[in-house]
Amino acid sequence: KQEVTQIPAALSVPEGENLVLNCSFTDSAIYNLQWFRQDPGKGLTSLLLIQSSQREQTSGRLNASLDKSSGRSTLYIAASQPGDSATYLCAVRRSSNYQLIWGAGTKLIIKP
Amino acid sequence: DGGITQSPKYLFRKEGQNVTLSCEQNLNHDAMYWYRQDPGQGLRLIYYSQIVNDFQKGDIAEGYSVSREKKESFPLTVTSAQKNPTAFYLCASSANSNTEAFFGQGTRLTVV
Repeated sequence: KQEVTQIPAALSVPEGENLVLNCSFTDSAIYNLQWFRQDPGKGLTSLLLIQSSQREQTSGRLNASLDKSSGRSTLYIAASQPGDSATYLCAVRRSSNYQLIWGAGTKLIIKP
Repeated sequence: DGGITQSPKYLFRKEGQNVTLSCEQNLNHDAMYWYRQDPGQGLRLIYYSQIVNDFQKGDIAEGYSVSREKKESFPLTVTSAQKNPTAFYLCASSANSNTEAFFGQGTRLTVV
């Protein structure tokens, strides 16, 4: 059974710092992995999608990596800003039935 | 503007009532999904549809029903059989079952 874990559940850092959010999964048979952002009371915004054959994807100040063999993905945020404050969710898509399996998220607070 | 529209944003249900949450997309996506989000947990799949006139149960389908009569619409009915319906409900779509998922802004359902 695929399980997805995000640690820590919450993180607070000063503005300007570079930071890393972690996502681990138990079954390496994934089709892809997607990182999302969720603002309070809102829907999810897709940030990055990494296919299983890829090692990383970049968008602006965000960089996501994928290591299937170790069951890990990281989301790197460079030069953090207060506007980055949100909950970040990762989801892996199973190869068997393409269903998304979700982590519980990391709540990020960037202090001005 | 292309996207996914959920309505209403807030919904209140009395005990014993059925209520229907709307989800419409104009992205021409084949696949649509309903998720439930509770505090501190990952998203859980209620129902999904890979093509019009077809849908399948997800992990927590009991007490819910859906229809997919049109490609752009995937309404969710929360029936009186759902004993703990208070939650945040998210609708998503993707071009097909294994591509990037996009989300609506959610509906918060509260039992009064």
